[in-house]
Amino acid sequence: DTGVSQNPRHKITKRGQNVTFRCDPISEHNRLYWYRQTLGQGPEFLTYFQNEAQLEKSRLLSDRFSAERPKGSFSTLEIQRTEQGDSAMYLCASRGDYYGYTFGSGTRLTVV
Amino acid sequence: GDSVTQMEGPVTLSEEAFLTINCTYTATGYPSLFWYVQYPGEGLQLLLKATKADDKGSNKGFEATYRKETTSFHLEKGSVQVSDSAVYFCALSERQAGTALIFGKGTTLSVSS
Repeated sequence: DTGVSQNPRHKITKRGQNVTFRCDPISEHNRLYWYRQTLGQGPEFLTYFQNEAQLEKSRLLSDRFSAERPKGSFSTLEIQRTEQGDSAMYLCASRGDYYGYTFGSGTRLTVV
Repeated sequence: GDSVTQMEGPVTLSEEAFLTINCTYTATGYPSLFWYVQYPGEGLQLLLKATKADDKGSNKGFEATYRKETTSFHLEKGSVQVSDSAVYFCALSERQAGTALIFGKGTTLSVSS
């Protein structure tokens, strides 16, 4: 068990470009969450998967954001036409059956 | 909706001082409560948790007691160390399967020697 892995750790992109982040959860965890954390704030929930099904999406998840979890394993979060306001740390967490959330180290996105 | 309110930081202490970080919550049900810690450049690590009223979570010298009557889950440590310097987040999760964590804004702790 190597924990939750997120790639890349850092991403700098120009405004208007598309970016994709990857999260590899703990293998036996069937639930996967994406959060966004801006400077000085706590993480804010974006979306949740149980296995391959996306069961909940926050209002924060605009049309430019899409997330997938094919086959219920790793997940990707894509942001299209990035804006400066998308600059944040994107955190992934996975969870087993007993309230055990485990977070990855996050992907820091900077939109210039 | 559910929410978590933490005391604002930064909290600056000398080594071996007593630490309290206040946390109160609003929830419709009976949530589980958590404290997470985030060291610079790293992700969130679970520090401790409590799943029902009057439960006390503890880890690494930190403690917090689930107080339903005051809807609070204050974090305490009797003697802080420089290595405790980090951002601390209080969070809750409703009991329904799959419910996401709801976080407070975080409190930055800085401990000097």
